Amino acid sequence: AQKVTQAQTEISVVEKEDVTLDCVYETRDTTYYLFWYKQPPSGELVFLIRRNSFDEQNEISGRYSWNFQKSTSSFNFTITASQVVDSAVYFCALSEGHRDDKIIFGKGTRLHILP
Amino acid sequence: EAGVVQSPRYKIIEKKQPVAFWCNPISGHNTLYWYRQNLGQGPELLIRYENEEAVDDSQLPKDRFSAERLKGVDSTLKIQPAELGDSAVYLCASSLDGQTIRDEQFFGPGTRLTVL
Repeated sequence: AQKVTQAQTEISVVEKEDVTLDCVYETRDTTYYLFWYKQPPSGELVFLIRRNSFDEQNEISGRYSWNFQKSTSSFNFTITASQVVDSAVYFCALSEGHRDDKIIFGKGTRLHILP
Repeated sequence: EAGVVQSPRYKIIEKKQPVAFWCNPISGHNTLYWYRQNLGQGPELLIRYENEEAVDDSQLPKDRFSAERLKGVDSTLKIQPAELGDSAVYLCASSLDGQTIRDEQFFGPGTRLTVL
């Protein structure tokens, strides 16, 4: 069965600090997709990234970076030089790829960036 | 370009009452999703439409929940009768093609339902 674990329920950091959000997943499939979504206080989820299981290259997009390690079944998300606007709930999610399956979301990590 | 529109944003009802939520997806998006998000949890898919057809409703509690997407554009999700455990945020999302659920989904702001 597929499962996503975000062990950090809530994190607070001071603005300009770097912060890493952890995500550990479980799946029996060799083909799967991983996602990160951001949910600001306004409520709508905002898509940040999708990676497939065959692409282990780390990715950087501005202040955001993602570290995908199949050996530890982790897909961690780092925000560099955090800003107050980064305050939100962040969800990691998994979809198995061998069939048209659902996206399973983790419980989310609430990130507070303190000014 | 307008995003996914949902209404109402908030709804408070007493248990056993009916309630309906409306969603208008991004123009041109063929696939529409309804999710339920309980407090402190991630969203869980209730139903997925490709145009007018419900292609995955396995998670929809069919005894009290119903949904429709007439004409393949906007959609309505209904609960009748509502129970206390239905209190949650109901999110609508849409995607352009929907060949797979892994296409990028665009979410609306959700409807926060409180059942008293």
